[in-house]
Amino acid sequence: EVQLVESGGGLVKPGGSLRLSCAASGFTFSAYSMSWVRQAPGKGLEWVSSISTASTYIYYADSVKGRFTISRDNAKNSLYLQMNSLRAEDTAVYYCARDQLGYCSGGSCYSSDYWGQGTLVTVSS
Amino acid sequence: DIQLTQSPSFLSASVGDRVTITCRASQGISSYLAWYQQKPGRAPKLLIYAASTLQSGVPSRFSGSGSGTEFTLTISSLQPEDFATYYCQQLNSYPLTFGGGTKVEIK
Repeated sequence: EVQLVESGGGLVKPGGSLRLSCAASGFTFSAYSMSWVRQAPGKGLEWVSSISTASTYIYYADSVKGRFTISRDNAKNSLYLQMNSLRAEDTAVYYCARDQLGYCSGGSCYSSDYWGQGTLVTVSS
Repeated sequence: DIQLTQSPSFLSASVGDRVTITCRASQGISSYLAWYQQKPGRAPKLLIYAASTLQSGVPSRFSGSGSGTEFTLTISSLQPEDFATYYCQQLNSYPLTFGGGTKVEIK
């Protein structure tokens, strides 16, 4: 059974840092790209970052670029999100998600087929 | 960045109704689109990818169509467990983006 379990959320002051972790099990972690998606309280989904299988390709939303760093350790079946210079608007539930490879119009595309339960990050003084 | 606009943002329907949700992209994305369902307090669930491919295990009453800039998610006969919020996501280019969501509530 595929499982993704996030941890590391909590209350942090503006300007502070936090590191989220996502422990993966039930599948070959090294074979899948992974993503972080967040959801502010009462709001919609916002894609945050994605990382390819060997960390060759990394992408960020403009809202977190330069402040957040995604990484993975395939030997530990773990995904991470280092969050620095946190702002009130970063307050959200953060989900890690597995990205499945599909074929869209003959080209490859990645959609998130499994998600963790989420971890809440609250940025407040 | 590619913007996705969903409509309506809210709809009220009855069990057994046929429901259609629209997602419009700010530029052509071919079939690089996915649909997700989210229930309160739960993680999103993938329903459809590549605009019209049903994810394994998803009931056949869900279907997706469209290409380019206009897409639809249809639920052929709404069931009690389908009351939720639905999001589209473009898979065409980074940064990936989601639509604003459509909340489906019981009439």
